[in-house]
Amino acid sequence: GDSVTQMEGPVTLSEEAFLTINCTYTATGYPSLFWYVQYPGEGLQLLLKATKADDKGSNKGFEATYRKETTSFHLEKGSVQVSDSAVYFCALTVTSGTYKYIFGTGTRLKVLA
Amino acid sequence: EPEVTQTPSHQVTQMGQEVILRCVPISNHLYFYWYRQILGQKVEFLVSFYNNEISEKSEIFDDQFSVERPDGSNFTLKIRSTKLEDSAMYFCASSEGQGLNQPQHFGDGTRLSIL
Repeated sequence: GDSVTQMEGPVTLSEEAFLTINCTYTATGYPSLFWYVQYPGEGLQLLLKATKADDKGSNKGFEATYRKETTSFHLEKGSVQVSDSAVYFCALTVTSGTYKYIFGTGTRLKVLA
Repeated sequence: EPEVTQTPSHQVTQMGQEVILRCVPISNHLYFYWYRQILGQKVEFLVSFYNNEISEKSEIFDDQFSVERPDGSNFTLKIRSTKLEDSAMYFCASSEGQGLNQPQHFGDGTRLSIL
């Protein structure tokens, strides 16, 4: 069945470091891909999305490119800030039925000043 | 910006008791969802709801669970007789439409603790 695999956390970085959080997926058809972020004590917020191969989603300095050939959607940011500390979830939506989301396990990012 | 609101933020309930989790989706949204996240595990789909009926449910969503849209604004998840393994964070989500380009908007979640 459809699934999402994320790198294990926690990821601890110093401020201004480069961030990569890996995400790979398995899906039938051509899903849309999403990154959601959960700040402490808050809900899931859409960070960025891509709906077809080679699309690049971007928001707040974060980017991810939909790579069909490697079935990946890795999240990157060139220079992280303390305020980026959160849990990041990769997700896909299936292309049939009710377009429910399939989530990865989430990766906790901690950025130190 | 409009948002999905969930109440309560934390619910503590004795095993075997009924619990109702409440959600107010974004007002012009038509599709509603419940997900849950057991501590340390993945966010899992429970159920989707459209036009006053369930569109799809997962195998987790057994006879102990039900959903309802009792009025024009609320969307509730009821667990009839709670078990210890129901302890989790429950997220409500809504979307304006359906399709690959229709993102779901999530609430802050309700943490359910079963004692």
